[in-house]
Amino acid sequence: DAGVIQSPRHEVTEMGQEVTLRCKPISGHNSLFWYRQTMMRGLELLIYFNNNVPIDDSGMPEDRFSAKMPNASFSTLKIQPSEPRDSAVYFCASGEDGQAFFGQGTRLTVV
Amino acid sequence: ILNVEQSPQSLHVQEGDSTNFTCSFPSSNFYALHWYRWETAKSPEALFVMTLNGDEKKKGRISATLNTKEGYSYLYIKGSQPEDSATYLCAFDNQGGKLIFGQGTELSVKP
Repeated sequence: DAGVIQSPRHEVTEMGQEVTLRCKPISGHNSLFWYRQTMMRGLELLIYFNNNVPIDDSGMPEDRFSAKMPNASFSTLKIQPSEPRDSAVYFCASGEDGQAFFGQGTRLTVV
Repeated sequence: ILNVEQSPQSLHVQEGDSTNFTCSFPSSNFYALHWYRWETAKSPEALFVMTLNGDEKKKGRISATLNTKEGYSYLYIKGSQPEDSATYLCAFDNQGGKLIFGQGTELSVKP
């Protein structure tokens, strides 16, 4: 398996634009997590899915953030409209039996 | 709010030194404690999953212990090497399905 695949690896966008981050989890894993990494807060859990169903989205910072998992092999994290303070590295991880395997991350810069 | 604390925040050692750092987590509703190693520009990589009080796990020169009653885990590195330089993250799992990460300990090993 190629591991968790995230795209794009880097994204630079202007404030106010919509940003969509994509994740392909490891086949067979039943959990999917979206994390945000910042210097100030470290690795924060935004939302996690179990069997494609959002279980806990309490970490999603604002209504501008939304996440979907239409099927077991794909998830998106959308920010609309984006703001400079959203600049961070966003990680997707998939897991089974509580162990998470991380993608390479998407480095988002909002200018 | 689940609080996972790691200390120290950063550590600078010389090659050959042995070192250890701490992860503190809630002692109630414990299910598992995970340790991850995170090198710059890469994604976090799982080191250990610990579930039982008194557990001790070892992988080469790296080992970890677990005390679930008092809510802490230690990670030890024997004879540090420059390639051990990374951020070491612990994550608490209360069987809610999500991993709550600490801020990490950034280890720098100088040759």
